[in-house]
Amino acid sequence: GQQLNQSPQSMFIQEGEDVSMNCTSSSIFNTWLWYKQEPGEGPVLLIALYKAGELTSNGRLTAQFGITRKDSFLNISASIPSDVGIYFCAGQLGYGGSQGNLIFGKGTKLSVKP
Amino acid sequence: DSGVTQTPKHLITATGQRVTLRCSPRSGDLSVYWYQQSLDQGLQFLIQYYNGEERAKGNILERFSAQQFPDLHSELNLSSLELGDSALYFCASSATDRGYGYTFGSGTRLTVV
Repeated sequence: GQQLNQSPQSMFIQEGEDVSMNCTSSSIFNTWLWYKQEPGEGPVLLIALYKAGELTSNGRLTAQFGITRKDSFLNISASIPSDVGIYFCAGQLGYGGSQGNLIFGKGTKLSVKP
Repeated sequence: DSGVTQTPKHLITATGQRVTLRCSPRSGDLSVYWYQQSLDQGLQFLIQYYNGEERAKGNILERFSAQQFPDLHSELNLSSLELGDSALYFCASSATDRGYGYTFGSGTRLTVV
C-alpha cells in the first residue's frame, strides 16, 4: 500500500527553538494535512494544504505543499511546552471513495524542555 | 470536544470474543471513517460510510465489519479477536463523502488478553 516517510521520528528540543519535520512519498497527493495527537486524544487537524507550492500558516505553525506534490514540511517556530505531542502528516490521493481516505506518516514525537 | 463521540473509551476482552465499538459523528456530518492505530502499523484506514452506504474499504480484516445506521451513528464490529487486534480505534466524520475536513473522536482503546 501507499506509504509516507515522515522524519524525524522524534525530537527533543529546548523551549524557544524552532522545529522542522517533513514527509515524503513516492506517490503524488492532491492534499497534504498535518495533525497533532496528544495522549488519550484523537488527531487534531493543524493545517490543510490543497495546492502544489502552497504555503500556509496557523499561528506559529507553517506548512508547505511541495512542488512535486510528493512532499510536505511543517515548521514550528519558538516552541513552547504545550507543543509536546506527536505530529502526523497525512495525504489524500484524491477526493471521494477510496481516494479520499487519509494515508498517514508514522509520526514525529516532539518533546520540549522548559 | 471535537463533536465526534466514541464509546466505550476503553475495552478489555479475551481472545476469540466479539466487541462492538460505537461512533456518533459531528452534528450534520454524513460521512464516518474508521481508523486503527497500532504501534507497528501506525494509523491505518479501515472503512468509510456515507449516509448509510459503504463508500470505501481499506485494510479491514474479514473478521471486522461496520455499518452506519439511519441516525448516522456507526458501529465497528470486531469478532474472533486476536492479541494483535489490540489497538486504538478512531472514528472520524466529515460533512461530505469527498474527504474534506476530517474530525476525529478520542478513540476506543481495545486490549485483547
